[in-house]
Amino acid sequence: KQEVTQIPAALSVPEGENLVLNCSFTDSTIYNLQWFRQDPGKGLTSLLLIQSSQREQTSGRLNPSLDKSSGRSTLYIAASQPGDSATYLCAVALKKLTFGKGITLSVRP
Amino acid sequence: GAVVSQHPSRVICKSGTSVKIECRSLDFQATTMFWYRQFPKQSLMLMATSNEGSKATYEQGVEKDKFLINHASLTLSTLTVTSAHPEDSSFYICSARRIASGISNEQFFGPGTRLTVL
Repeated sequence: KQEVTQIPAALSVPEGENLVLNCSFTDSTIYNLQWFRQDPGKGLTSLLLIQSSQREQTSGRLNPSLDKSSGRSTLYIAASQPGDSATYLCAVALKKLTFGKGITLSVRP
Repeated sequence: GAVVSQHPSRVICKSGTSVKIECRSLDFQATTMFWYRQFPKQSLMLMATSNEGSKATYEQGVEKDKFLINHASLTLSTLTVTSAHPEDSSFYICSARRIASGISNEQFFGPGTRLTVL
């Protein structure tokens, strides 16, 4: 059974700092991995989808990585801003999506 | 493109009543829609997979007679919580996977429905 872990559960950084969000998964047999953003009481916004067979693509200040063999993905956020404060979830896909619990990020002005 | 809507966004009901939640893909056709529930500070848990024109596939532990799913068209799936009880209070989120999504299997998520059962 696939398990997705995101540690730490919460992270607080000052504005402008670069940071890395971690995601690990137990079964490396996946089609892709997605990173989502969720604001309080809201649905999910897809940030990035990483195909297991393709090179990762940068999206603005967000830079993902995926290492299937080690079961790890990271989301690098450059020059963090208070507007980046939200919960970030990763999810791995085979037949269905399996989600981590998310990392709640707080960027202090 | 790839917008998914949910209605209602918030519902409060009395224990014992039934509640219907709609999920629509607004600008694409979806052969498959998914229903998730999320408890506070927890991850999304898949409840069921809904395929247009066929019966939904429920995850282990999800009562199909309690959570009725109808996927009547390529743009609409509904979830009905029957005889709702306070423990059914949760955040319900749907997602849709469009036809010809290729190998990406990307899902597009709705904004969620907050259900509170008194």
